[in-house]
Amino acid sequence: GENVEQHPSTLSVQEGDSAVIKCTYSDSASNYFPWYKQELGKGPQLIIDIRSNVGEKKDQRIAVTLNKTAKHFSLHITETQPEDSAVYFCAASIGGAQKLVFGQGTRLTINP
Amino acid sequence: GAVVSQHPSRVICKSGTSVKIECRSLDFQATTMFWYRQFPKKSLMLMATSNEGSKATYEQGVEKDKFLINHASLTLSTLTVTSAHPEDSSFYICSVSGRADTQYFGPGTRLTVL
Repeated sequence: GENVEQHPSTLSVQEGDSAVIKCTYSDSASNYFPWYKQELGKGPQLIIDIRSNVGEKKDQRIAVTLNKTAKHFSLHITETQPEDSAVYFCAASIGGAQKLVFGQGTRLTINP
Repeated sequence: GAVVSQHPSRVICKSGTSVKIECRSLDFQATTMFWYRQFPKKSLMLMATSNEGSKATYEQGVEKDKFLINHASLTLSTLTVTSAHPEDSSFYICSVSGRADTQYFGPGTRLTVL
């Protein structure tokens, strides 16, 4: 079945710097890759997603890149702010179906 | 994105009792709803997928007789944890999906079984 590996598990950056989180997936049939932000005690919030027919997508300070050949995708956050501190999860669709498999999560801390 | 609510947000119950958690899609007709559980500092684990008007499909290792799922309408799904035990204590989160792949999550329900 699909397996998603996410790195790093924790990431600490200075406010204003960039943060990058990387994920790899195993199922070549996966075609949808969302990223979620989860704050303590809350449900995950979709922040950006990308589909397999696109290599990069950007939304203000957030961007996602996808390399289908290597089966990895990354989240890039620029000009980080304290409110970006949270746990971030990547996910991949299972064989093109609606189900998602999640990575292990990255705890991002932005230091003022 | 879709607005999803869950009720209750927190529940504490005694061992052996049953607990029902509601998931509502407030502005979106959800043909599919998903139920996840999340342990502290861990990732989300899919428990089951439910389609409106159909029986839920459970993931391997999830007891369907223990975690009863009902998806009676396009805006409501319920998860009932039957005969709850301390090991069932967890954060339960639902998500909704339309025809596309995108899933929108509810705020979660923290269940504590004493």
